[in-house]
This record gives sequence, structure tokens and C-alpha cells, in this order.
Amino acid sequence: SQKIEQNSEALNIQEGKTATLTCNYTNYSPAYLQWYRQDPGRGPVFLLLIRENEKEKRKERLKVTFDTTLKQSLFHITASQPADSATYLCALAYNTDKLIFGTGTRLQVFP
Amino acid sequence: DGGITQSPKYLFRKEGQNVTLSCEQNLNHDAMYWYRQDPGQGLRLIYYSQIVNDFQKGDIAEGYSVSREKKESFPLTVTSAQKNPTAFYLCATGLGSYEQYFGPGTRLTVT
Repeated sequence: SQKIEQNSEALNIQEGKTATLTCNYTNYSPAYLQWYRQDPGRGPVFLLLIRENEKEKRKERLKVTFDTTLKQSLFHITASQPADSATYLCALAYNTDKLIFGTGTRLQVFP
Repeated sequence: DGGITQSPKYLFRKEGQNVTLSCEQNLNHDAMYWYRQDPGQGLRLIYYSQIVNDFQKGDIAEGYSVSREKKESFPLTVTSAQKNPTAFYLCATGLGSYEQYFGPGTRLTVT
């Protein structure tokens, strides 16, 4: 079965630096890969979607890359701020029915 | 959150009792989903529905039941057959494998 790996350890970085989070998957590549932000006690919020034929997608301070050879997506937050502190989930879509979510990586940005 | 409401936010029940979690949406989305989230684990799909009067089991459907009588509503019943019902339950709507929109969640505690 498909397996998604996100670093379970928290990522701690200083304000202003670039945060880079990793999402690795096994088996075959998804049609779409998505990133969500989740704050404690709340539902996830959609951030970005990237298709398998796209290498990179940007939105303001966010950038997502998708490497189907490495079976990996990287999620970057540039000029990070304490308000970016949250858990970030990656999700894979193989068909039109449903998503498979990773366990998420907690990001902590210190002033 | 947006146009998805879940109620109540916190729910307490005694073991052996069935309990129904509410999920309502006004986004006019056809697809609706129920996930369960446990500490340190990703979102796991319980049930999903792509159209009124039709729904499919997700990865962990045992001990749960759903109905989809209206486009706007997708209630989840946690039955006494669910062995570990204490968890954070999230409802979402979406457009297939594109982004999903999550409700605020219901935290269920069974003692």
C-alpha cells in the first residue's frame, strides 16, 4: 500500500530563515500532491496543489517542488515568521475519489 | 472552517453508547469526507460520499456509520462497536482529488 513519510520531529528555525519540509512517498507517483496547514485543535487548511507534470509551484512566501524521480516533495516557507508555526501535512491524490495524508511535520519559528 | 460546521466542538460519552457527530456545509460541494485524527498520526479516512444517497467506506470504517440524505449534511455515528472511539473527528468537503475544505472538528472523549 502507499506510504507517505514526513519528518515526525519538529523543525525549529529562527525568524527570517527559510523553512524546508519534506514529504516522501513510496510506490507510484500521485496525480496531485497537496500541502495543508493545521493549527492545534483546528481543521487543516489547504495551501498549495502541484500536479505530477509540474516541477514547482509558488504562492507568496510558499514554494512547493515535486520530484517524481526521487518520489519527494519539498515545501519551503521563505522569510519565516512566528505566525508560520503550525503542523504542515502533505496529501497525495491518485484518483478523483480521495486523498492520503501524511502524519505532518510541526514547524516552530522562534523570534 | 469557512462554510462547514461541525457540532459540538467537544463531546463526552460513556462507553457502550452510540453518538452522532454533525457536519453541515453550504459550499455546494458534492463530495464530503469524515476523517479521524489521533495524536502522532495523520488523518485516516472513515467514510466518504460523492453524491447524495451514496457513500463508500474508507480505510477505517469498522464501528462507524454514515448517511447522506441531503447534499448539505453528512452525519457520522460512532457506534459502541468502535473499540477506540476517543479521537479528533474532522469533516471535509471537496472537489474530488482537488483541495478539501475542513470543518473545525469535534473532539470526542469516551470513558
